[in-house]
Amino acid sequence: AQKITQTQPGMFVQEKEAVTLDCTYDTSDPSYGLFWYKQPSSGEMIFLIYQGSYDQQNATEGRYSLNFQKARKSANLVISASQLGDSAMYFCAMREGNRDDKIIFGKGTRLHILP
Amino acid sequence: DSGVTQTPKHLITATGQRVTLRCSPRSGDLSVYWYQQSLDQGLQFLIHYYNGEERAKGNILERFSAQQFPDLHSELNLSSLELGDSALYFCASSVVTSGKGEQFFGPGTRLTVL
Repeated sequence: AQKITQTQPGMFVQEKEAVTLDCTYDTSDPSYGLFWYKQPSSGEMIFLIYQGSYDQQNATEGRYSLNFQKARKSANLVISASQLGDSAMYFCAMREGNRDDKIIFGKGTRLHILP
Repeated sequence: DSGVTQTPKHLITATGQRVTLRCSPRSGDLSVYWYQQSLDQGLQFLIHYYNGEERAKGNILERFSAQQFPDLHSELNLSSLELGDSALYFCASSVVTSGKGEQFFGPGTRLTVL
C-alpha cells in the first residue's frame, strides 16, 4: 500500500490565485514528519516546508503553509498568491518515527501557473 | 544552492558498463542518502549512510553499491548497466540534530544508458 498519496497528477491555476496541493499519508507510528519539496524543470529538489506529527500549529514558510489534519492523515500544501515561478513538480514526503533512515516520497503533482 | 554537490552532471554510457557517481554532502552533515528518479517509478530511496556506516537500504539492486568515505563524501557504483537504469540519481544530506530530518538535495546526475 502506498504510504504517501498525491491524487492530483496535474493542476492548472491562474497567477495570483491560491492553490492547494493534496497529500494523504499512512503510518501507524505516532511520531513522524511530513515534508514538501519542489522540483522545477531544471531538476533540482528544493525543500519547502516541514510539519512534525506533534506540532500543535500548522507550519508556515512565507507563501507556503501546510494544512495538517492529523485525524484525516492529510497534509495539504497551500501556496498563497501563486507566481509563474511556482510552476513545478511538487512532492509530499514522510519520515516515519524519529529515525532519519529514509524519507518516502509521493508520486508528485505537476503545477502549472497560467499568466 | 543546497550545498550538496554531485558529479558528474550528465553521464552517457552503454549497457553492461559500470559507472561511479559522486556526492559531497553539506558541510557538517553526516548523513548521505541516494535516490533514483525515473518517469515510471518516481523518486525511489536507494540507500542511506551515516558517518561511514550503512543505515538503511531501500529498493537498491544488487548490481548497485555505495559507500561513504572518512571525509563523508559518498559514491554510488552502478554495474552491468541496463537500459532501465537510465534515470536521474540524487544524493541528499541531512543533519540529524535539526530534529526535522529534512534532506537537502544535490543537483543530480542524469544517467543515460544506450
